[in-house]
Amino acid sequence: AQSVTQLGSHVSVSEGALVLLRCNYSSSVPPYLFWYVQYPNQGLQLLLKYTSAATLVKGINDFEAEFKKSETSFHLTKPSAHMSDAAEYFCAVKDTGGFKTIFGAGTRLFVKA
Amino acid sequence: KAGVTQTPRYLIKTRGQQVTLSCSPISGHRSVSWYQQTPGQGLQFLFEYFSETQRNKGNFPGRFSGRQFSNSRSEMNVSTLELGDSALYLCASSLEAGSYEQYFGPGTRLTVT
Repeated sequence: AQSVTQLGSHVSVSEGALVLLRCNYSSSVPPYLFWYVQYPNQGLQLLLKYTSAATLVKGINDFEAEFKKSETSFHLTKPSAHMSDAAEYFCAVKDTGGFKTIFGAGTRLFVKA
Repeated sequence: KAGVTQTPRYLIKTRGQQVTLSCSPISGHRSVSWYQQTPGQGLQFLFEYFSETQRNKGNFPGRFSGRQFSNSRSEMNVSTLELGDSALYLCASSLEAGSYEQYFGPGTRLTVT
């Protein structure tokens, strides 16, 4: 069965600092992997996706993530945090050919001035 | 192109009542998925509809049901509401069933008192 684990329910960084949000997945078949962002009282917005092409995936707003099969990880990074990045981030997995997307519990990112 | 719309945005119901939520997908998208988001359980998949047929279903009781119309609009219904049904209900649309790329609506916040 597929699963997603996000390490750290809360992460706090200073403005301008590196953002690192961790995600590990479990899947018996090659997965599709996603990162979504959710701002208060809004739905989820797709940041980036991995679909078995390049292992380093670039998304919107300078976010990127690297698929590491040996570590079953798909961590999200951004070189320099901005106040507007404060939100909740969700990692998700979907098996190829499947219909369900499984979401992690989410990580709330706080950005300090 | 207009995004996914959900109505109503906010709803307050009492225990035992039933409720119907509506979702209009992006024009041209034929698949609609529904998710329940709560602080305790996170994002959980309810069901997916494609071409007016339910393609996949999550682990929710039969009180939760849905349907899709010929124009791809979808409704979900919850009967005999319980306090635990209080949640943000998110709808996501995609081009085809099983598509890896989903676009989420802003959600309907349901409060059961």
